[in-house]
Amino acid sequence: NAGVTQTPKFRVLKTGQSMTLLCAQDMNHEYMYWYRQDPGMGLRLIHYSVGEGTTAKGEVPDGYNVSRLKKQNFLLGLESAAPSQTSVYFCASSVGSTKLFFGSGTQLSVL
Amino acid sequence: GDSVTQMEGPVTLSEEAFLTINCTYTATGYPSLFWYVQYPGEGLQLLLKATKADDKGSNKGFEATYRKETTSFHLEKGSVQVSDSAVYFCALTTGRGNNRLAFGKGNQVVVIP
Repeated sequence: NAGVTQTPKFRVLKTGQSMTLLCAQDMNHEYMYWYRQDPGMGLRLIHYSVGEGTTAKGEVPDGYNVSRLKKQNFLLGLESAAPSQTSVYFCASSVGSTKLFFGSGTQLSVL
Repeated sequence: GDSVTQMEGPVTLSEEAFLTINCTYTATGYPSLFWYVQYPGEGLQLLLKATKADDKGSNKGFEATYRKETTSFHLEKGSVQVSDSAVYFCALTTGRGNNRLAFGKGNQVVVIP
């Protein structure tokens, strides 16, 4: 039972570098989400998708882009990383809006 | 906008003690309420939920009652174990075409043997 798989688990970037975080789910869920978790801030929604080919902005979308070309995958891109994007990133998926299934997270440091 | 507020600060208590974590909410309409738990090094997982006023969600010895009159959804457990050490998040969704959850800031719970 893979559930929600995130890659990579850890990454260190230099300011200005780009990268893509991959999220894959094998539960045939329609909805997928990207959150960031920062100390004292809880989880904040970056972007989400309600189905293949659709994306929408969440609370803190600036500096990030996403794509959902396949139902099972949801990619989060950082075009030009900044130190303020140092965080733990979580992907989640769901059938409806009630029970989310989360990945184990990606710890990103931007120097 | 819709939001949840959790009590400030970590919670440290001894094994077999009673645990309460406060959560209050602000929402238009009639939200569903949730508690999620995050164990060290893992993603969040749903602990319990309640979808309407006076409902009680329960799981693994934890309980929370949806109180519309006080806009609260406090989490309780009568006798905690070391394995309950985790971060606990309160969350809500309105369910009116809104497929997003709004999370509180979370409370770190540390249970000492």
